[in-house]
Amino acid sequence: GENVEQHPSTLSVQEGDSAVIKCTYSDSASNYFPWYKQELGKRPQLIIDIRSNVGEKKDQRIAVTLNKTAKHFSLHITETQPEDSAVYFCAASSSNTGKLIFGQGTTLQVKP
Amino acid sequence: ETGVTQSPTHLIKTRGQQVTLRCSSQSGHNTVSWYQQALGQGPQFIFQYYREEENGRGNFPPRFSGLQFPNYSSELNVNALELDDSALYLCASSTGLSGGMADTQYFGPGTRLTVL
Repeated sequence: GENVEQHPSTLSVQEGDSAVIKCTYSDSASNYFPWYKQELGKRPQLIIDIRSNVGEKKDQRIAVTLNKTAKHFSLHITETQPEDSAVYFCAASSSNTGKLIFGQGTTLQVKP
Repeated sequence: ETGVTQSPTHLIKTRGQQVTLRCSSQSGHNTVSWYQQALGQGPQFIFQYYREEENGRGNFPPRFSGLQFPNYSSELNVNALELDDSALYLCASSTGLSGGMADTQYFGPGTRLTVL
């Protein structure tokens, strides 16, 4: 069935370092890949997304790369700040269903 | 913050009871999706409504049902509550499809349901 695997489950970095979170999806029909940031007790907030017709997208300190052949996509955060600390979720969706299949989440801790 | 709102914020029920959760979608959005997020897990898709019709369902039993109204707001109903139904229930609104691909979904703040 449809599945999204996310790694690592926890990630601790020093302020200013880079953080990378990786996801792999199983449904080859997937064509939309958003990333959400969820702070404790709050709603998931979209931070960046990518569609299957592009291989990379960047927004300031955040970038996402997509490898359709290998069915994996990654989130890159540069110059991390303590306020980047949160749980990050990747997700995949196809136009056939419109539903988001989420990864298990990565708890990112940025130490000052 | 998104324009998606949910009510109530918190709810406590006992096993066997029924619950109705509500979601108001962002202006201009005609699609609402519901997700269940257990503690420490990613959201799990329950179902989606597009222009008042169910448009896809996840692996949830029939006691999870929903409605979408002409103004595109939506309800999630859960009958015969079980302890495992305790979770954060999130709704997300979108315009459905954009250029043949799924459109961005914007989440509401969620309803925290506790079943005792």
